[in-house]
Parts: sequence; structure tokens; C-alpha cells
Amino acid sequence: DTEVTQTPKHLVMGMTNKKSLKCEQHMGHRAMYWYKQKAKKPPELMFVYSYEKLSINESVPSRFSPECPNSSLLNLHLHALQPEDSALYLCASSQRVTSGRRWTGELFFGEGSRLTVL
Amino acid sequence: ELKVEQNPLFLSMQEGKNYTIYCNYSTTSDRLYWYRQDPGKSLESLFVLLSNGAVKQEGRLMASLDTKARLSTLHITAAVHDLSATYFCAVAGGGTSGSRLTFGEGTQLTVNP
Repeated sequence: DTEVTQTPKHLVMGMTNKKSLKCEQHMGHRAMYWYKQKAKKPPELMFVYSYEKLSINESVPSRFSPECPNSSLLNLHLHALQPEDSALYLCASSQRVTSGRRWTGELFFGEGSRLTVL
Repeated sequence: ELKVEQNPLFLSMQEGKNYTIYCNYSTTSDRLYWYRQDPGKSLESLFVLLSNGAVKQEGRLMASLDTKARLSTLHITAAVHDLSATYFCAVAGGGTSGSRLTFGEGTQLTVNP
């Protein structure tokens, strides 16, 4: 299984709604990521979890709240979003290779959740 | 701050032609990645380059890395329409707890029949 699965694929929400994006991987990867991608732009890192602990928060507004319940799951809780938050939200994971092997850091991306905030 | 520059940003080429996409980055890094993205889709990993002089080839695409020049190239040989997509290079930097990648702006490639 080499997939990163994201749900939902599409989400439309109002500015007062609370919703969540979910991400799951069963590759045994211990680093998981949330990226935001606007149209025709590169992905921008939001959060990194390493061994289920938040290791990087790229100064993301608090209306985005990440959660990593276990090593296979990553959630992004959304509350009081703004229309400018509409984007493709990508989840990714990467392996930490130990025992003398070099860590490639290669990220495997899910299909993304396309979010529209009205 | 790590900066990654790709050029060209837009590339329109004829089938059967060769071309090169360039990726320059501003600070030392030992890991560089190339990804492909089709419209409305996710990112597909193409190449992982881990050392100076690394060269990898897959089909009509070949990627290389010169860490001294802080330059990677993605060479397209005898382009076909199926290669039309946006190509991103990404450079790793900062920390070991997770891979913080900085992406280039992307090169939107269109291969015309």
C-alpha cells in the first residue's frame, strides 16, 4: 500500500462552519504534513508532525488546527475560515529510514481536499 | 531563507523536441526532488536526488544535481503530449524532524502535437 488517502475530496463550507479534513496512510511513515496550494502556485507548508508530535507550524492562523491521533492519521480542523482560505489542501507523509540507511525525505502526497469557503 | 527558482515558468514545445528545465536554489542542501502535477491532481514524485553529480532517468525524463552550483536540471527528450503537466522542483532544508521542502514556482509544460 503506497497511498495517502484524503477525505473529503471536495468541501464547501460557510465562514461560521466547523469541518475537518482527514488523511490516512498505512506505509509506516512517521512524518506527516499538511500543505496548502492555491491555483497555479506551489504547495506551501503548513504543519509537520514527526512521531505524532507537532514539529513545525509555519505560523498558520489558529482557525486551522491540526491533530495527529496516531501514526496513521492526520486531521486538519477548520473553524471560522475566510474566503481566501479556499485552496487545495494536500496531506503528505515521509519515511524515516534508520539503521545506517540514508533518509531520503521523499514526500508522498495524497490527492488533496479541495476547499471552498463561501 | 532558502529560495528556489525555476525557469522557464511556462514552456510550450513540439512533440519530438528536447528541452531542459532549470532549478536554482540559494543555500546548501543535499536533497532535491522533482514532482509532476496534472491539473486538479496531486503531486507525483519523479526523482529524488541525494548527492552531487546524481543523475536519474525515467523514460523521457532525466534529472541531475550539481550541489556546488546549487542547480538541478530536468531534461526532456523527444517530448510527447502525455508529458504535459506542471513540474516542480523542491529543495530540502531546515531540521531533521521532518522534511521541510521549499518548492519552486513550477514549470507549466505544454507539449503540442
